[in-house]
Amino acid sequence: AQRVTQPEKLLSVFKGAPVELKCNYSYSGSPELFWYVQYSRQRLQLLLRHISRESIKGFTADLNKGETSFHLKKPFAQEEDSAMYYCAPREGTGFQKLVFGTGTRLLVSP
Amino acid sequence: DTEVTQTPKHLVMGMTNKKSLKCEQHMGHRAMYWYKQKAKKPPELMFVYSYEKLSINESVPSRFSPECPNSSLLNLHLHALQPEDSALYLCASSQDRPEYGYTFGSGTRLTVV
Repeated sequence: AQRVTQPEKLLSVFKGAPVELKCNYSYSGSPELFWYVQYSRQRLQLLLRHISRESIKGFTADLNKGETSFHLKKPFAQEEDSAMYYCAPREGTGFQKLVFGTGTRLLVSP
Repeated sequence: DTEVTQTPKHLVMGMTNKKSLKCEQHMGHRAMYWYKQKAKKPPELMFVYSYEKLSINESVPSRFSPECPNSSLLNLHLHALQPEDSALYLCASSQDRPEYGYTFGSGTRLTVV
């Protein structure tokens, strides 16, 4: 079955520490992969997409096809990074569905 | 306009009521989606509309009835809901290219009493 796994429900770090939020997927073919973030009382928003190889708010994510992983990383966490993070594969072409992982709550303490 | 707008923001309804949720976007996106999000859980896909036609129904009970009157509007008609249907209902839209993500609305918080 196709699925995405985020093994940590909660990741708690201190400000300035490195952060890695894990995402593993098992999909046939080559899905498009995204990270979404949901800050407290705000709408779900796109953070990163693997195809653009961009860095947003200091976050990067590398697609490792061999390990089927798409981990989200930031070298120095900030308090404002505290939020719920979802890894989300989108399979196929056109309007194929976006499916969310179980999510990891990141808590950055001062 | 780069937003998805959902109304109402909050809705309380009885189990015998009929109500509708509304979603609107003016970004020219040709796909629109309904998701349901329970507390502390990820969003779960309910329906996908592409070019105003229903393309995916994730086995959603018939008490939820989606409608796409035109390329900018998406409705979700509710009838005879149960208390367990209480959740945040999210609407999203996207371009017809898979490398682009979805744009989400802020949601309608529904409480069924």
